[in-house]
Amino acid sequence: DGGITQSPKYLFRKEGQNVTLSCEQNLNHDAMYWYRQDPGQGLRLIYYSQIVNDFQKGDIAEGYSVSREKKESFPLTVTSAQKNPTAFYLCASSRQYYSNQPQHFGDGTRLSIL
Amino acid sequence: QKEVEQNSGPLSVPEGAIASLNCTYSDRGSQSFFWYRQYSGKSPELIMFIYSNGDKEDGRFTAQLNKASQYVSLLIRDSQPSDSATYLCAVNIFPQNGNEKLTFGTGTRLTIIP
Repeated sequence: DGGITQSPKYLFRKEGQNVTLSCEQNLNHDAMYWYRQDPGQGLRLIYYSQIVNDFQKGDIAEGYSVSREKKESFPLTVTSAQKNPTAFYLCASSRQYYSNQPQHFGDGTRLSIL
Repeated sequence: QKEVEQNSGPLSVPEGAIASLNCTYSDRGSQSFFWYRQYSGKSPELIMFIYSNGDKEDGRFTAQLNKASQYVSLLIRDSQPSDSATYLCAVNIFPQNGNEKLTFGTGTRLTIIP
């Protein structure tokens, strides 16, 4: 079955540590996205990639980095510069980066501070 | 004014009744509208999308769009306890600086009372 796989489901970060969240899709989608969800808030866009080897900052990119070396993969690194990383992180993909293309989500990764 | 607004709820509806969820948006140029369902602790799941004024039906779900009033709604007929979830409205927005993006509301929490 095609889908989006995020790992790990739960992740704990120590002070000063960088951590990487994995996102893999086998839907052959060009566009991929990373969102952050905090309680009582909507999804906020961190980074997006319209096509392989391309990515753009979203609304809250500070303290995060991404890469898009393969079409299937869009890992997110939460760096030590991100002072409030505790949140639910969601990876999504769509066939293309156009407004009429629905985005589909992975199961998410919950990140907490140790 | 927020780009996408939803009443946070909770909205309580008796089992078997019609649940009506509402969403307003600020960008007159918006063209694509999506409804996602998110169960507690889970990721969002796409349930409906609509691009044209009027109604679009899919099973027990009906999406209604009124671009003149900048209003989109989701009706759930014959509500079931399994419909209890948070419903997210997402709208494509055209920022003055930057690419078109999908913007999410904060969601309406729906509870179906048996």
